[in-house]
Amino acid sequence: GENVEQHPSTLSVQEGDSAVIKCTYSDSASNYFPWYKQELGKRPQLIIDIRSNVGEKKDQRIAVTLNKTAKHFSLHITETQPEDSAVYFCAASSNTGKLIFGQGTTLQVKP
Amino acid sequence: KAGVTQTPRYLIKTRGQQVTLSCSPISGHRSVSWYQQTPGQGLQFLFEYFSETQRNKGNFPGRFSGRQFSNSRSEMNVSTLELGDSALYLCASSLAGDGGELFFGEGSRLTVL
Repeated sequence: GENVEQHPSTLSVQEGDSAVIKCTYSDSASNYFPWYKQELGKRPQLIIDIRSNVGEKKDQRIAVTLNKTAKHFSLHITETQPEDSAVYFCAASSNTGKLIFGQGTTLQVKP
Repeated sequence: KAGVTQTPRYLIKTRGQQVTLSCSPISGHRSVSWYQQTPGQGLQFLFEYFSETQRNKGNFPGRFSGRQFSNSRSEMNVSTLELGDSALYLCASSLAGDGGELFFGEGSRLTVL
């Protein structure tokens, strides 16, 4: 069945450094890849997404890259700030209502 | 525009009991998905409903069921509760469930004793 693997499970960086989270997916029919951020005690919220016809997408300090051949995609956060500390989830779906999430990465940005 | 509303927010049950959780999606959203969130397991997909029909199902036992009403509100039910069912149950809605943004509710935290 569909599966999304996410690494690392925890990531600690100094403020101002970059953070990279990687995901791989198994379903070759997947064509939509969102990233959600969940702050402590709050609901997950979409921060960026990418579709399979695009290799890279950027929004200010956040970027996502997609390699369909290798079935992996990554989230890049530059110039990290303490407010970036949260759990980040990658996900994949194939234009259906079934969005499969990775296990999550707890990002800690140290001031 | 009101967000996704889930009730109850917290509940405590004992093993063997059953529980029903409710989700009201954003107005106009026709797709409702349910997820189970536990530490270390991330967000595990339970099922997705669209226009009162279950369109997708995850790998959970038959004790987990759901339904959607004509106004798009959804309920999920867990029967014969087990300790391992303790989790945060998140509901999410989207316009058509065809690969777009999910809007999550705050969740219903279930504790099974």
